[in-house]
Amino acid sequence: EAQVTQNPRYLITVTGKKLTVTCSQNMNHEYMSWYRQDPGLGLRQIYYSMNVEVTDKGDVPEGYKVSRKEKRNFPLILESPSPNQTSLYFCASSLGRLNTEAFFGQGTRLTVV
Amino acid sequence: GENVEQHPSTLSVQEGDSAVIKCTYSDSASNYFPWYKQELGKGPQLIIDIRSNVGEKKDQRIAVTLNKTAKHFSLHITETQPEDSAVYFCAASMVNDMRFGAGTRLTVKP
Repeated sequence: EAQVTQNPRYLITVTGKKLTVTCSQNMNHEYMSWYRQDPGLGLRQIYYSMNVEVTDKGDVPEGYKVSRKEKRNFPLILESPSPNQTSLYFCASSLGRLNTEAFFGQGTRLTVV
Repeated sequence: GENVEQHPSTLSVQEGDSAVIKCTYSDSASNYFPWYKQELGKGPQLIIDIRSNVGEKKDQRIAVTLNKTAKHFSLHITETQPEDSAVYFCAASMVNDMRFGAGTRLTVKP
């Protein structure tokens, strides 16, 4: 089954404690991205990757890092989480950056206290 | 900057009625307009999309219309059912990115 898998689904952490949210896709997609979803703001892109070892900032990259060492994996790293990073996070993959269907993961609800 | 505006933010209809969600976009070069449905506890999933060379597209009870001159597109759901209750996002391809609307929470009352 074609899917994007994120882990964990839920995470509560404390300010400053480094964390990683994993994302894996099994569709051999070149393009992957991370979004955060906040009430009234919709989906805002954090980072994206056009291919292995190629990553770039989206609209709200501050406080986040990503890596793309393998085509299937695109982890999101919060080096020093802060309460304003409390949000619902989605990983997505697609054949390309534009004009193609995006496949989203189930989401990770992060709370930073 | 380039963006997509979506209205209304919430919509409540009676089962069997129609629901319409509207989006406007700013980039006249946009040529791909997908709609996503997000059910509770799940990620958004594509339900229908339209490209700029088409004015309307239907798939059973859902349809999307596009007015490129006015730079707006709409999602129409007919004969709504309780399982249509979800958050709906429109999106539009911009110069270098896909942009999403803020979402519409649709509630269908039985």
